[in-house]
Amino acid sequence: GQQLNQSPQSMFIQEGEDVSMNCTSSSIFNTWLWYKQDPGEGPVLLIALYKAGELTSNGRLTAQFGITRKDSFLNISASIPSDVGIYFCAGPTRSNDYKLSFGAGTTVTVRA
Amino acid sequence: NAGVTQTPKFQVLKTGQSMTLQCAQDMNHNSMYWYRQDPGMGLRLIYYSASEGTTDKGEVPNGYNVSRLNKREFSLRLESAAPSQTSVYFCASSDGTGLKYNEQFFGPGTRLTVL
Repeated sequence: GQQLNQSPQSMFIQEGEDVSMNCTSSSIFNTWLWYKQDPGEGPVLLIALYKAGELTSNGRLTAQFGITRKDSFLNISASIPSDVGIYFCAGPTRSNDYKLSFGAGTTVTVRA
Repeated sequence: NAGVTQTPKFQVLKTGQSMTLQCAQDMNHNSMYWYRQDPGMGLRLIYYSASEGTTDKGEVPNGYNVSRLNKREFSLRLESAAPSQTSVYFCASSDGTGLKYNEQFFGPGTRLTVL
């Protein structure tokens, strides 16, 4: 299946900061999905991207589908405490497949 | 709409015991999935059902069986639980058709400990 590499593995945020994370694939994707998981909960779909170069926002979150189709980026603007959690990228196991491969996640924690 | 529901939320088993994890969705989705999540490993697909009446193995199927009971329900069975199956199990569903065919929606999870 597809290998997805997320970075950074973890990050600390300070309230009000802009933060970003990315995901790279060993193969070309035609779909990128970003999920957030709060402690003790299931992942929740944040943003779906279907076109190379596409930039899509959901409130303070913005995600981009990389031009090479092998990467995607997620930005959080003006962080707030409830942004803590684990953010996962996901993409189809094979082209046009409904099965997904997931990255290992970026853990976001509030800096004391 | 409840979305995807899972029962139970927590379970403790002894090695060798069996149990079935239940999942139901009310979104009229065609495809359903079972994942396990272990620390630092992300989500790994155990089994999936592309449509009612079909099931297929995912990345880590050993030690599990599934049943797609009807369009709404997809159960995961551990026949003889092992400590290596201690994990958090998530069920998910997707439309499986159209532009958003692979947008998956997850349940709240079942936290399973095998002693």
